[in-house]
Amino acid sequence: DIQMTQSPPSLSASVGDSVTFTCRASQSISRYVNWYQMKSGKAPKLLIYAASNLHSGVPSRFSGSGSGTEFTLTISSLQPEDFATYHCQQSYSPFLTFGGGTRVEVK
Amino acid sequence: QVQLQESGPGLIKPSETLSLTCTVSDASITTHYWGWIRQPPGKGLEWIGYMYHSGGTNYNPSLKSRVTISGDTSKNQVSLRLSSVTAADTAVYYCARGVEGVVQFDSWGQGALVTVSS
Repeated sequence: DIQMTQSPPSLSASVGDSVTFTCRASQSISRYVNWYQMKSGKAPKLLIYAASNLHSGVPSRFSGSGSGTEFTLTISSLQPEDFATYHCQQSYSPFLTFGGGTRVEVK
Repeated sequence: QVQLQESGPGLIKPSETLSLTCTVSDASITTHYWGWIRQPPGKGLEWIGYMYHSGGTNYNPSLKSRVTISGDTSKNQVSLRLSSVTAADTAVYYCARGVEGVVQFDSWGQGALVTVSS
């Protein structure tokens, strides 16, 4: 199976900051990466699909990039509602796998 | 806006079969993929499997021997059955709609906590 490793596991930031975190695949997966936002007790939200495509309704401050084995998610100006955990997911293999998540906390 | 709602027992005993239902509103289960994902307490997300709109399935190899995902088009529901559960199956279980191609999950339910304990 393809392992997805996210870093850092957590980070502290302030409203208005630009934050970037990484997802690394254990083998090349082209651009088959999706990113999700998760908050406790709420339905997870798709943010980015196919590495860099913004899902409908997602604010433009979210952006994704990368291909092969390294991918990044950037939030350009952190808003109060963005404090959450972010997970990547690969779909290159029929055996789908997720990263362990990056938790964005208030500094 | 498609809505998904998981339902089922919140507490089951070891060796029993976990059964959850996902009721889908404002979309038909005859299109797209319909998947289940879980998150054990303090751990990451684990994909369980999904059902194609044609009725075919794809399961996580580590769970394949115990998992069944099926659909009821008359009720527009997708079901998950996981047999012979242990404490390790304690998790929040999510149903989600998958999009063919890249297989991203574009709509999710809020999740249902299932605890396995005697």
